[in-house]
Amino acid sequence: EPEVTQTPSHQVTQMGQEVILRCVPISNHLYFYWYRQILGQKVEFLVSFYNNEISEKSEIFDDQFSVERPDGSNFTLKIRSTKLEDSAMYFCASLDREHADTQYFGPGTRLTVL
Amino acid sequence: SQQGEEDPQALSIQEGENATMNCSYKTSINNLQWYRQNSGRGLVHLILIRSNEREKHSGRLRVTLDTSKKSSSLLITASRAADTASYFCAPRRGAQKLVFGQGTRLTINP
Repeated sequence: EPEVTQTPSHQVTQMGQEVILRCVPISNHLYFYWYRQILGQKVEFLVSFYNNEISEKSEIFDDQFSVERPDGSNFTLKIRSTKLEDSAMYFCASLDREHADTQYFGPGTRLTVL
Repeated sequence: SQQGEEDPQALSIQEGENATMNCSYKTSINNLQWYRQNSGRGLVHLILIRSNEREKHSGRLRVTLDTSKKSSSLLITASRAADTASYFCAPRRGAQKLVFGQGTRLTINP
């Protein structure tokens, strides 16, 4: 069964460094999302992406964050200058609106900012 | 906001018993979905029920939806240790973002 994949599974970085989290959505999906979950807290929406542009973003998704679909398969989340409070699990999800309304989630990337 | 609120916050039962979790929401929806998350891992989609459906089954899962009361329930029958996880409901319209509540933490005791 097709699945969303994410790399790396764990990323450790120094505060102020840039990180890029990578996702490969399910191949025929058209909508893409990033969510994050700080340890012990709720899963929070960051951004949605459709037709090569951001369709919605949350307050969390400030100028330090950007998303890109550089080719036909990858979907990336970049954090330009990481802060300690960016430490969290980051989940990518994709959706094929044509056949179903189900968002399929990847296994997540654990980001640790030191 | 289309956040669902799960109840109870925590549920602990013996293996083999049935587990029932409830979800309430506030806005009109096209469908409602249930997800499971094992301890900090990714979210796994369990089942989707559309607004014109009242009940749906999938294996040991049974979901009900009452749009007049804006509520849903998830029943897991014959629970197993592997069902230990957090469960979230996600009421939705279209391709909008999912808004998660705190979930129900289910513990199955051997």
